[in-house]
Amino acid sequence: DSGVTQTPKHLITATGQRVTLRCSPRSGDLSVYWYQQSLDQGLQFLIQYYNGEERAKGNILERFSAQQFPDLHSELNLSSLELGDSALYFCASSVTPGSTVGTEAFFGQGTRLTVV
Amino acid sequence: GENVEQHPSTLSVQEGDSAVIKCTYSDSASNYFPWYKQELGKGPQLIIDIRSNVGEKKDQRIAVTLNKTAKHFSLHITETQPEDSAVYFCAATSYDKVIFGPGTSLSVIP
Repeated sequence: DSGVTQTPKHLITATGQRVTLRCSPRSGDLSVYWYQQSLDQGLQFLIQYYNGEERAKGNILERFSAQQFPDLHSELNLSSLELGDSALYFCASSVTPGSTVGTEAFFGQGTRLTVV
Repeated sequence: GENVEQHPSTLSVQEGDSAVIKCTYSDSASNYFPWYKQELGKGPQLIIDIRSNVGEKKDQRIAVTLNKTAKHFSLHITETQPEDSAVYFCAATSYDKVIFGPGTSLSVIP
């Protein structure tokens, strides 16, 4: 158990809908990172937050947004969903910002999103 | 744009043999190179990392080497065991960017 909690584990929704994925980082970790993993794209870095502020942005679509709250949990919002958005979405956390992975980063178990 | 190439995409070895996975990166600003192991149904787990001021690092059966001039880094697993079977990802990281390789599926045959 990495200490990073993601909910829900599975999500099935229709095209055009909006969903919110939630991540609770390890206790004491200030940085949260979001990644998308699909079969043909590998691990894609989406966005990083550090202590509530956006720190780095990767290949995140405009239909996607994220935020980190004062209690350090983070939410990834995906809207106007398309079939191609079906993927595993991972959250990771680390203590320091450092690089976008920082020092050791711990990944959650992921949320499997299926868009039908 | 910047990318990380990783080879091979699949690798099968006999238990007890060594496995080597190689990555090449393009962003010369990359200065931190972690390796992650992802088992089925789980999130990636950091197994070893190396910073740009170090050429080699070893942790028991796992070692990583870095050639900054050639922009190559490699993961070496010795005395492989069935529990080493997983997908391995390399990554090249700079201050504001992390790029993962496409992954290598390693199978260790008992």
